Amino acid sequence: NAGVMQNPRHLVRRRGQEARLRCSPVKGHSHVYWYRQLPEEGLKFMVYLQKENIIDESGMPKERFSAEFPKEGPSILRIQQVVRGDSAAYFCASSPLGVRIFGPGTRLTVL
Amino acid sequence: ELKVEQNPLFLSMQEGKNYTIYCNYSTTSDRLYWYRQDPGKSLESLFVLLSNGAVKQEGRLMASLDTKARLSTLHITAAVHDLSATYFCAVDLSDKLIFGTGTRLQVFP
Repeated sequence: NAGVMQNPRHLVRRRGQEARLRCSPVKGHSHVYWYRQLPEEGLKFMVYLQKENIIDESGMPKERFSAEFPKEGPSILRIQQVVRGDSAAYFCASSPLGVRIFGPGTRLTVL
Repeated sequence: ELKVEQNPLFLSMQEGKNYTIYCNYSTTSDRLYWYRQDPGKSLESLFVLLSNGAVKQEGRLMASLDTKARLSTLHITAAVHDLSATYFCAVDLSDKLIFGTGTRLQVFP
C-alpha cells in the first residue's frame, strides 16, 4: 500500500503561469480532499471530490482554481495565472470514509 | 461558520514535564482528529475520537473528547525532545475537516 502520492513535491512557477498538482489516492479510496497550508498556518479545506464528481468546493477561490477527479487517473488541482499569494503547500488526502490519509504535499513557489 | 481554536499557539516545555493542549470548537460534531506535523512534512494521524467521553492513549500522548463542552484535550506526559512538532486538532463536518490553528511544541533538555 503506497499511501497517498502527490507530484510534483516541489513546483516553481512564474506569475501568470499555470500550476498542475496531481494526487493519487490510496488504492480503493474513492474520496479525495484538497487542502492548502500557508506558511505558519493551519490547513484550509479547498475541495472534496469523488470519482467524476465535485461534492463540495466551498473552500475553492472562485477564479483561477479548479479540481477534478476523473474516472481513471489521479485527481488534479489546477491553478491558472498563478500569483505570489498562491505560494503554499497543497495537501491531498483520501479516505474510504472517515479518517483522511494525507499525502506528502506539493510545495508551490510563485516567483 | 465553524471555528476551531487551539491554545496555546506556542509551547516550550522542558523534558520530563507534563502539559495539556486544548482544542475548542464552535459547533456540534462528534468526530475529532489530532494530527502531528513536523517542519516541511505532511500530517501524521495521531488519534480519532468518535464519541463523547472518548479517551485514547499512545505512548506519552493522551487525547480526550467532551462533545457537550465542545472541547478536546491532548495531554503530554513526561515530554521528550522527539515530541517537538506542531499539533493540530481537526473537527469533522461531514465532508470536510476544519483544522485548528495548531500548537507548535518545542521540548528542550
